[in-house]
Amino acid sequence: GAGVSQSPRYKVAKRGQDVALRCDPISGHVSLFWYQQALGQGPEFLTYFQNEAQLDKSGLPSDRFFAERPEGSVSTLKIQRTQKEDSAVYLCASSPVGIGARQPQHFGDGTRLSIL
Amino acid sequence: GENVEQHPSTLSVQEGDSAVIKCTYSDSASNYFPWYKQELGKRPQLIIDIRSNVGEKKDQRIAVTLNKTAKHFSLHITETQPEDSAVYFCAAPPKADKLIFGTGTRLQVFP
Repeated sequence: GAGVSQSPRYKVAKRGQDVALRCDPISGHVSLFWYQQALGQGPEFLTYFQNEAQLDKSGLPSDRFFAERPEGSVSTLKIQRTQKEDSAVYLCASSPVGIGARQPQHFGDGTRLSIL
Repeated sequence: GENVEQHPSTLSVQEGDSAVIKCTYSDSASNYFPWYKQELGKRPQLIIDIRSNVGEKKDQRIAVTLNKTAKHFSLHITETQPEDSAVYFCAAPPKADKLIFGTGTRLQVFP
């Protein structure tokens, strides 16, 4: 594809529901990142994959957050038992090489999650 | 801990003037410094980046300077245009797998 694709673009859920957010990185990109962006703030690191391996999940706010990339391509970020404070834009980014954060990262449009 | 400070938080300039945004990072392991532009409701877009073995990099109206000793880097936009209006973020990677973003600068260019 031409760029990083995320779906859905918007998601509204009731507090307590589970949600799943999808990221399709640029074809062939080795590194994949998830970020959370609160209104008026910069993106905050959540987790990083190199191919299918999750090498860093230190930014995940709680054990309700889970990410996977089973075949080293598409990734899913799952949030269980959503809370109001989970409302944010979730951004996915990919880069072509293994040392991901020290190479240009290409972002998707994000998923705007609203928890009622 | 890992920290990237960005100033100013808002910046208003007249069309044609220059704009300068400054960032300071804390971790000396950082060796790559990207700048992103984000328009309202859109994705962050990489506009320029610099590596630690270079002191300055230019791309048309945009330049970035890096002072590794002082741990700060700056974005310079010359001959600003209304379409430059957006939020700009600097970033630095204290580790190979983590990018830490600044808090952003909202730039407004008035015609």
